[in-house]
Amino acid sequence: QQQVKQSPQSLIVQKGGISIINCAYENTAFDYFPWYQQFPGKGPALLIAIRPDVSEKKEGRFTISFNKSAKQFSLHIMDSQPGDSATYFCAAGYSTLTFGKGTMLLVSP
Amino acid sequence: NAGVMQNPRHLVRRRGQEARLRCSPMKGHSHVYWYRQLPEEGLKFMVYLQKENIIDESGMPKERFSAEFPKEGPSILRIQQVVRGDSAAYFCASSPGGKGQETQYFGPGTRLLVL
Repeated sequence: QQQVKQSPQSLIVQKGGISIINCAYENTAFDYFPWYQQFPGKGPALLIAIRPDVSEKKEGRFTISFNKSAKQFSLHIMDSQPGDSATYFCAAGYSTLTFGKGTMLLVSP
Repeated sequence: NAGVMQNPRHLVRRRGQEARLRCSPMKGHSHVYWYRQLPEEGLKFMVYLQKENIIDESGMPKERFSAEFPKEGPSILRIQQVVRGDSAAYFCASSPGGKGQETQYFGPGTRLLVL
């Protein structure tokens, strides 16, 4: 199975709050786990990515947590801002990527 | 440093016509990937190409769809005899390739509408 399951489908967070999006994968051969941000009418833009040899990676307000044994990884957006309102996709793979179905995040002012 | 370029940005075709979507990868990138995105859906992998070679086409429909990445020029995704179900956004991504170089950078997409 090549699926990547992403939750929740949509998320509303108040400005300044923490946004958390979760993903689970099945293929243990996957060794690269990126997160992409997409605004309406635009292409996905890489936010942050992690490999399975580390359990956490932080870049600014964005953190990936990775649990290899559970085959799960999550994106945390600290101090969420209205400008973060977008659709977020997790992905997993080794040469090609399998994407989750996306999470629509709305950060209310 | 220009990013991934795709053209046209919007394409309207009638059923039965052909659609040609073009993708120019980032400078220095020799690996190209095509994805399809339906409304409210994630991106579905279609095909992975290197210069003059198809590496993985496991996501390509068996009929009407083809892709190439010639030695010179952009990568082309070709859809023959389009049907309404082909209406979607088609994204191209590129990467330098090789171990540790898997990061894919996406273009702005081509939105295909089949009437």
